[in-house]
Amino acid sequence: GEDVEQSLFLSVREGDSSVINCTYTDSSSTYLYWYKQEPGAGLQLLTYIFSNMDMKQDQRLTVLLNKKDKHLSLRIADTQTGDSAIYFCAEDQGYQKVTFGTGTKLQVIP
Amino acid sequence: DGGITQSPKYLFRKEGQNVTLSCEQNLNHDAMYWYRQDPGQGLRLIYYSQIVNDFQKGDIAEGYSVSREKKESFPLTVTSAQKNPTAFYLCASINRGQGRNEQFFGPGTRLTVL
Repeated sequence: GEDVEQSLFLSVREGDSSVINCTYTDSSSTYLYWYKQEPGAGLQLLTYIFSNMDMKQDQRLTVLLNKKDKHLSLRIADTQTGDSAIYFCAEDQGYQKVTFGTGTKLQVIP
Repeated sequence: DGGITQSPKYLFRKEGQNVTLSCEQNLNHDAMYWYRQDPGQGLRLIYYSQIVNDFQKGDIAEGYSVSREKKESFPLTVTSAQKNPTAFYLCASINRGQGRNEQFFGPGTRLTVL
């Protein structure tokens, strides 16, 4: 099947903004999610956006959704060293089926 | 506190052996999932169960087996038929509150074949 695609790696300096991009596959997906995985741990839900929204802001996180292009992005403002992790986007295709992206490893340089 | 536990955190297996990974949740979630994570490949779905005594194959079920005798428990057996079992295994369950399939993950088990 088609993959939910993300770039593998992103490096930013502490205090800068990070933008992590994702291209998903199913235009009928109801929700899109962003998860964070710290080293050696499970995934934690960071935020989500409903498919009829263009943007959602949650403190330092901004999610942008371009449904026409099936493109999702996560912007982290004022990136901190504690933000270093792998970030996964995921699409909710209903019937309890969620497909995850390949993950983007964010490295924050002090 | 509610959550998902996985044990053990690290597991070593000799070639030819079956091993079972434990996953327990006290969140009262109906659906549970097993994923395999390899570097650069994201999460791949092994098996999932939407209700007790029922489960379905995911994308990479070959060489794995599961059972779902209790709502709280969804153990995964990695059999000797799995040719490349060294990986990080993640268990998850779903909260379908408000129509979203929000997944809760356990801390993972790292399996190494010696």
